[in-house]
Amino acid sequence: QKEVEQNSGPLSVPEGAIASLNCTYSDRVSQSFFWYRQYSGKSPELIMSIYSNGDKEDGRFTAQLNKASQYVSLLIRDSQPSDSATYLCAASNSGYALNFGKGTSLLVTP
Amino acid sequence: DAGVTQSPTHLIKTRGQQVTLRCSPKSGHDTVSWYQQALGQGPQFIFQYYEEEERQRGNFPDRFSGHQFPNYSSELNVNALLLGDSALYLCASKGRNVWTEAFFGQGTRLTVV
Repeated sequence: QKEVEQNSGPLSVPEGAIASLNCTYSDRVSQSFFWYRQYSGKSPELIMSIYSNGDKEDGRFTAQLNKASQYVSLLIRDSQPSDSATYLCAASNSGYALNFGKGTSLLVTP
Repeated sequence: DAGVTQSPTHLIKTRGQQVTLRCSPKSGHDTVSWYQQALGQGPQFIFQYYEEEERQRGNFPDRFSGHQFPNYSSELNVNALLLGDSALYLCASKGRNVWTEAFFGQGTRLTVV
């Protein structure tokens, strides 16, 4: 069973702090990885994609990938209350199906 | 530039009935995938359509079927609805390169009573 594991949270951080979200995956041949943000009652919105080991930065967001450890993370700098949402980690080994974790709930407190 | 659009947004059906959900992909995209998201869970892959053919299928029964039209839009059909089919159904589209990013529509909330 190919699994993507995330801590369900909630992860609570104060406004302005760095939020660190983590994800592990079991399928060693996974090649593409994605972070989606999902507000309550809404659909997932793509935040970041990462395909190679290392860091990828986009604005306040940094995705980190370590294929040897089968680990993906998302850092959110200067967290804002509007960042409060569920963050879904997804992996794909084929480019076809996305295999999602259950998501981590993030709460940014003013 | 229109994103992925789904219809209807909400639907209530009775157990045993059949339902059809519709999806129009983002402009320039030709690949459509369907996902089911139960409350508190991550989306689960149902199937993907490309060039009007089902390219890959997840672990869902044959009650779930789909179709893709020449204009790349897609339908998801679910027969003999069960209470457990109540969920948010998500359509995602992407471009021809299989490794590109997938973008989701707003979803259809299906309630089976």
